[in-house]
Amino acid sequence: DGGITQSPKYLFRKEGQNVTLSCEQNLNHDAMYWYRQDPGQGLRLIYYSQIVNDFQKGDIAEGYSVSREKKESFPLTVTSAQKNPTAFYLCASSTLAGVSDTQYFGPGTRLTVL
Amino acid sequence: QKEVEQNSGPLSVPEGAIASLNCTYSDRGSQSFFWYRQYSGKSPELIMSIYSNGDKEDGRFTAQLNKASQYVSLLIRDSQPSDSATYLCAVKFWSALNFGKGTSLLVTP
Repeated sequence: DGGITQSPKYLFRKEGQNVTLSCEQNLNHDAMYWYRQDPGQGLRLIYYSQIVNDFQKGDIAEGYSVSREKKESFPLTVTSAQKNPTAFYLCASSTLAGVSDTQYFGPGTRLTVL
Repeated sequence: QKEVEQNSGPLSVPEGAIASLNCTYSDRGSQSFFWYRQYSGKSPELIMSIYSNGDKEDGRFTAQLNKASQYVSLLIRDSQPSDSATYLCAVKFWSALNFGKGTSLLVTP
């Protein structure tokens, strides 16, 4: 099956802990994205990457870090510097075909701070 | 900041009726427009994309784009209870995709 997988589905973090969310895609897409969604809010871009070993900050990058060592993988680390990390985290991927680029989403990871 | 505005709803329509969802955007240079459906607790799934002025139909769904008015809409014909969800409008400018907060649709039997 082609698609985007995210793990874990649910994640609980203690204060002061760093946690890493996994995102893998087998769609051969060049671009990958991380979004955060809070209740009643739209999606806000955290980081994106268009090529291996390169990534760009989105609108709310503070307290997060990413890596892109492989085309298929784009893990997100939520650091202890992120003061309000409880949210639904969505990974997406797309081609880089220009105007017709369409982002497809993984199933998401729900992070809760204990 | 490029704004994408949607009425949060809820929009309530009876089963079999036409549901009309609207979205306005602030950036005249926006190039591509998308509608995603999101069920509660799930991730967004793509319904429609539209790139040029006019209407685009796919089954029960019709997307309408008016770039002069900076307005995009989604019509759902013969609405079903399974269409009850939040509909997210997304507008693309270069590589960035900006989302509205979504409109909640409730289709009542």
